[in-house]
Amino acid sequence: DQQVKQNSPSLSVQEGRISILNCDYTNSMFDYFLWYKKYPAEGPTFLISISSIKDKNEDGRFTVFLNKSAKHLSLHIVPSQPGDSAVYFCAASDRGSRLTFGEGTQLTVNP
Amino acid sequence: DGGITQSPKYLFRKEGQNVTLSCEQNLNHDAMYWYRQDPGQGLRLIYYSQIVNDFQKGDIAEGYSVSREKKESFPLTVTSAQKNPTAFYLCASTIDRDRQFFGPGTRLTVL
Repeated sequence: DQQVKQNSPSLSVQEGRISILNCDYTNSMFDYFLWYKKYPAEGPTFLISISSIKDKNEDGRFTVFLNKSAKHLSLHIVPSQPGDSAVYFCAASDRGSRLTFGEGTQLTVNP
Repeated sequence: DGGITQSPKYLFRKEGQNVTLSCEQNLNHDAMYWYRQDPGQGLRLIYYSQIVNDFQKGDIAEGYSVSREKKESFPLTVTSAQKNPTAFYLCASTIDRDRQFFGPGTRLTVL
């Protein structure tokens, strides 16, 4: 049972344009959501998070939107840069001691 | 510098052999985690530990074992019972329930 799903395995955008990465979840107990960025052969690094009491959180070029009724969150990167090319994982927490991760989306930003 | 170290970065094992992956952190974090990453499957939780001398199974614990004798250390043993051990293994730690910090990972290949 995949509780967190990232339906797009890959996304390709032009430098300077917007990148939108999507994530859906099924567990209504999830109350905190995170995005991680991962380069090949490295560990993931934290990017941005959002609590379920908010619907938007912004940090520089990165904005995360949460739609609780649709059980959907998205990460917007504006403007996209070639250095943003990486795998992006969304993760969710249900007040427990663990995170549940999605499958990841490979973002490629073309110069 | 505070952080999480994993060693070795690359590990080769013959079929039927047990192997232990090291994870050490100097962040003074209470909780530590082991994940496995396979292509297209995201991060799957193997084991986690919230305090010393205590640990819980994650979603794919079969064929693995752990110990938590010290706060700083959380080694993972991949036993011969693990049917498909070739993967990228990631260790993480956290001081709160949500934002996890990851090590650089160990690539295990079974020959």
